Amino acid sequence: QQQVKQSPQSLIVQKGGISIINCAYENTAFDYFPWYQQFPGKGPALLIAIRPDVSEKKEGRFTISFNKSAKQFSLHIMDSQPGDSATYFCAAIQETSGSRLTFGEGTQLTVNP
Amino acid sequence: DVKVTQSSRYLVKRTGEKVFLECVQDMDHENMFWYRQDPGLGLRLIYFSYDVKMKEKGDIPEGYSVSREKKERFSLILESASTNQTSMYLCASSLIMRLSIIGYTFGSGTRLTVV
Repeated sequence: QQQVKQSPQSLIVQKGGISIINCAYENTAFDYFPWYQQFPGKGPALLIAIRPDVSEKKEGRFTISFNKSAKQFSLHIMDSQPGDSATYFCAAIQETSGSRLTFGEGTQLTVNP
Repeated sequence: DVKVTQSSRYLVKRTGEKVFLECVQDMDHENMFWYRQDPGLGLRLIYFSYDVKMKEKGDIPEGYSVSREKKERFSLILESASTNQTSMYLCASSLIMRLSIIGYTFGSGTRLTVV
């Protein structure tokens, strides 16, 4: 059972465009939602994260939007660059249950020059 | 920076072999994890450990076991490798504290092919 569902599976964007990746979760006890970025041949690395008490968090060109009532959150990459081409994973955790992250299926982003 | 090192980048093993995947972290983290990564399925947790000699099953433990004899080292064991265990295996570690302060740190992965 996939507790965090992610879409799309792949995404192609032109340089300068906006990349949007969506995730939905089922467990309302989740209280921390990180996004990970993975380049080929590397492990995933923490990109940005949000808690459900805020609706948006921005770090540079990366923004997380969070909709608690809909149990959805999304990653927006503004002014997408070829160097952003990577696989992106959303994740969720209930911190009181221990440090076990549940991951979405992943999105392979390609930014064309 | 925390470093998580997986001993092999690529492995090719035969069906039925016993396979050991090794992971070492250098920052005294309590938690260690083994995930497998498959296209379209994301990262799925196989086993994790909160302390030396402690282990907990994750979501897909069948066909795997683990060993944690020292705090810095967490080994994944495929008792009898099968072709459906061909995958990318990722090790991770984290501190026991609020995750917002320090997240998981992943190794670079071991791509295992079972023939």
